[in-house]
Amino acid sequence: KAGVTQTPRYLIKTRGQQVTLSCSPISGHRSVSWYQQTPGQGLQFLFEYFSETQRNKGNFPGRFSGRQFSNSRSEMNVSTLELGDSALYLCASSFASGASYEQYFGPGTRLTVT
Amino acid sequence: AQSVAQPEDQVNVAEGNPLTVKCTYSVSGNPYLFWYVQYPNRGLQFLLKYITGDNLVKGSYGFEAEFNKSQTSFHLKKPSALVSDSALYFCAVRDTGGSYIPTFGRGTSLIVHP
Repeated sequence: KAGVTQTPRYLIKTRGQQVTLSCSPISGHRSVSWYQQTPGQGLQFLFEYFSETQRNKGNFPGRFSGRQFSNSRSEMNVSTLELGDSALYLCASSFASGASYEQYFGPGTRLTVT
Repeated sequence: AQSVAQPEDQVNVAEGNPLTVKCTYSVSGNPYLFWYVQYPNRGLQFLLKYITGDNLVKGSYGFEAEFNKSQTSFHLKKPSALVSDSALYFCAVRDTGGSYIPTFGRGTSLIVHP
């Protein structure tokens, strides 16, 4: 079974631009979560989608948004990029939404904002 | 609010020796606890989880963890370390009495010396 895939793997953007990241979950997984990983803040939860609905949201500004499609694929968008948005963005899928389900992570998208 | 602490930024151990990576948590309800491992330039990989039942949980690659409710700990252990175990290890908690949003520790870098 193929793992979680994320595209693109690397991205360089300029401050003020917007960016869209894509995630394809493991086949059969219906929950997709997004995380931001930085050396200073560690791994921080952005949001979770399940059956095309946002189930949970972390403490990030409204510039960060996401969506999920009927095939469970998910996209994350960041508008008006700031230098502090430079990070590794990880997507994780799980079979369903709930506290007991382990997550399977993709390799991440490395975003650099200049 | 839930929290996770990994008190050691780095753990050094000789190959063949037992290893322990420490994790303590704080939740309002009952905890669901997870360990993940991250290799360089990769996403996180699921190792094991505690949901309920036996306090000693066995996972991938010979790792195990012991849930201790009185000490609110969930330490990761392995009887005999391998050089290939060198990686970044994350403990995570989800609170069954809360929003199910996972909280991750800051990570512990495990270095196994030949």
